[in-house]
Amino acid sequence: AQKITQTQPGMFVQEKEAVTLDCTYDTSDQSYGLFWYKQPSSGEMIFLIYQGSYDEQNATEGRYSLNFQKARKSANLVISASQLGDSAMYFCAMRPRYTGNQFYFGTGTSLTVIP
Amino acid sequence: GAGVSQTPSNKVTEKGKYVELRCDPISGHTALYWYRQSLGQGPEFLIYFQGTGAADDSGLPNDRFFAVRPEGSVSTLKIQRTERGDSAVYLCASSETGRNTGELFFGEGSRLTVL
Repeated sequence: AQKITQTQPGMFVQEKEAVTLDCTYDTSDQSYGLFWYKQPSSGEMIFLIYQGSYDEQNATEGRYSLNFQKARKSANLVISASQLGDSAMYFCAMRPRYTGNQFYFGTGTSLTVIP
Repeated sequence: GAGVSQTPSNKVTEKGKYVELRCDPISGHTALYWYRQSLGQGPEFLIYFQGTGAADDSGLPNDRFFAVRPEGSVSTLKIQRTERGDSAVYLCASSETGRNTGELFFGEGSRLTVL
């Protein structure tokens, strides 16, 4: 079974500070991709960052980095230097490479950046 | 257009009615997905198209839900005999098959309210 778990329903962070959003996953596939999406109040899902299961280095995209610990099956998102515009829902997702082609999403974490 | 376009953005209907939701993916994207997102939840997979065919429809909740993509571009999600429990935001996403990351590009969603 494929499952994504996000245990933090809500998080607060001070502007300009860093924050880590947790994500753990469960899959029997050996090859898979991990994704993080941002969903502001407008509703659109915005792709942030990708990590392949065989990538040896943690992915980084600007202020976003993914702390990938394969043995623990965790893929935490780190946002550095938080900005007010980072306030949104954040979803972790996984796509197994060989078991179908659907993306599995977690329940999300609501991040609020405090000025 | 440059992004995934969904219409209507909002649809209010009465229980028992028929509705159609339309998705126009990014040009050239062969993979198209429909997801459903209820309040406070992550996107829930409904169906995935590769080209014109439904490669995976395992997420459709029952036979009242049907989707087509006759020419491999625009897709229509059809819901018959709507029920109040069908109220949700229906998200469409497209993806470029063959890309290593293969991230999903989402539309802004169609919010369906069944009274």
